[in-house]
Amino acid sequence: QKEVEQNSGPLSVPEGAIASLNCTYSDRGSQSFFWYRQYSGKSPELIMFIYSNGDKEDGRFTAQLNKASQYVSLLIRDSQPSDSATYLCAVNPPGSGYALNFGKGTSLLVTP
Amino acid sequence: SQTIHQWPATLVQPVGSPLSLECTVEGTSNPNLYWYRQAAGRGLQLLFYSVGIGQISSEVPQNLSASRPQDRQFILSSKKLLLSDSGFYLCAWSRTGRRETQYFGPGTRLLVL
Repeated sequence: QKEVEQNSGPLSVPEGAIASLNCTYSDRGSQSFFWYRQYSGKSPELIMFIYSNGDKEDGRFTAQLNKASQYVSLLIRDSQPSDSATYLCAVNPPGSGYALNFGKGTSLLVTP
Repeated sequence: SQTIHQWPATLVQPVGSPLSLECTVEGTSNPNLYWYRQAAGRGLQLLFYSVGIGQISSEVPQNLSASRPQDRQFILSSKKLLLSDSGFYLCAWSRTGRRETQYFGPGTRLLVL
């Protein structure tokens, strides 16, 4: 079973702080990694994708990938109350065709 | 730009009734299409995906089926709903290719009573 694990939270951070969300995956050969944000009652929306080891920055968001340790993380700088949502990590393992394996998500709460 | 539509937005159905959910994509051609289900307390589960008209791959055996009668239309069906079919059904699309990002529609919330 190809697993994608996330801490369910809730992760609570004060406004303006850095939120750090982590994800581990079991299939060492995985090559594509995605972070989605899902507000309550809404569908997931893409935040970032990352394919290579290292950091990838987009505005206030930074995705970090370490394939040797099999983890991918998402940093949110200057967190805002509007960032409060569930963050889903998704992995495309080799041999899975087009399937994405999703974690159950981490709930983030940014307090004013 | 690309747009993905799903309907209905919400649905309440009795056990044993049929189901038909529709998804359409605009602004792209020959997309890969996907059906996911998100049940309460559980992660997103891929149900079906399609790489072309009439081509359907099933990821999880169940009482649901999918069809793709047109390039940008994807339909999820059931002949007889079960209580366990309740959940949030999400259609997604991606460009051709395995590493392409998947983009989700607004979803259909289904409650089976």
